[in-house]
Amino acid sequence: EPEVTQTPSHQVTQMGQEVILRCVPISNHLYFYWYRQILGQKVEFLVSFYNNEISEKSEIFDDQFSVERPDGSNFTLKIRSTKLEDSAMYFCASSEEGGQGQPQHFGDGTRLSIL
Amino acid sequence: AQSVAQPEDQVNVAEGNPLTVKCTYSVSGNPYLFWYVQYPNRGLQFLLKYITGDNLVKGSYGFEAEFNKSQTSFHLKKPSALVSDSALYFCAVRRGGSYKLIFGSGTRLLVRP
Repeated sequence: EPEVTQTPSHQVTQMGQEVILRCVPISNHLYFYWYRQILGQKVEFLVSFYNNEISEKSEIFDDQFSVERPDGSNFTLKIRSTKLEDSAMYFCASSEEGGQGQPQHFGDGTRLSIL
Repeated sequence: AQSVAQPEDQVNVAEGNPLTVKCTYSVSGNPYLFWYVQYPNRGLQFLLKYITGDNLVKGSYGFEAEFNKSQTSFHLKKPSALVSDSALYFCAVRRGGSYKLIFGSGTRLLVRP
C-alpha cells in the first residue's frame, strides 16, 4: 500500500537555526498538509497546500514557517529560526482530492527537538 | 468553535469482548468524521469515515462507528477485540469549507489476553 514518507525521523537542532522537514506524499495525491503534536497535547493543523499555493493555514503557521513543493515528489516544511516551543512531532499528510470526505493519509512523523 | 472530545484517556477490555471508544464533537454545519489509529512510533492510520447516509459505517480491521446526530457522537466499536488492537485511537472532525482536521486528545486502548 502506498505510504507518505518523512525524513528524517528525528531532527535535533540548536535554537535559532533553520530546519527543513521533508515529506514524499503518495504519488497520485494532489493535496498536502502539515500537522504537529507537542508532547502531551493534541495533534494540531498547520497548513494545507494545493496547486503550489497555501489553501489554508492556522494561526500557528506564522512568518517563521513556510512550505514548498520543490519538485514533483517532495513537500517540505521550513522553520526559519527555531524556538524551544517548536519542539514537537511533525506529521505530513496527503489526500487524493480536497473534498471534505477525503481521508488524509499520514506519514510516521519527524520528531523535532530544539536545544 | 469546532472541537472534538474523547472523554476516556484509556479503555481496557479483554480479548474477545466488544469494545467502544467514545467521541463527541462540536462543529458548525454538517460534520465529516474520521477515526485514526496510531501504533507505537508510527503515524496516524486512517480507519473509517462518516460523510452522510447510513449512521453505521464500517472500516478497516473489523472496526465500525456509529454516528448519532442528536447526541453529536461518533463512537468507535468492534464486536470482538484482539490484543493487536491495542493502540492509540484518535477521533477527528472536519467542517465544510475547511481542509483542517480537528483531532481529539486520543484514547489508549488496551486489550488484555
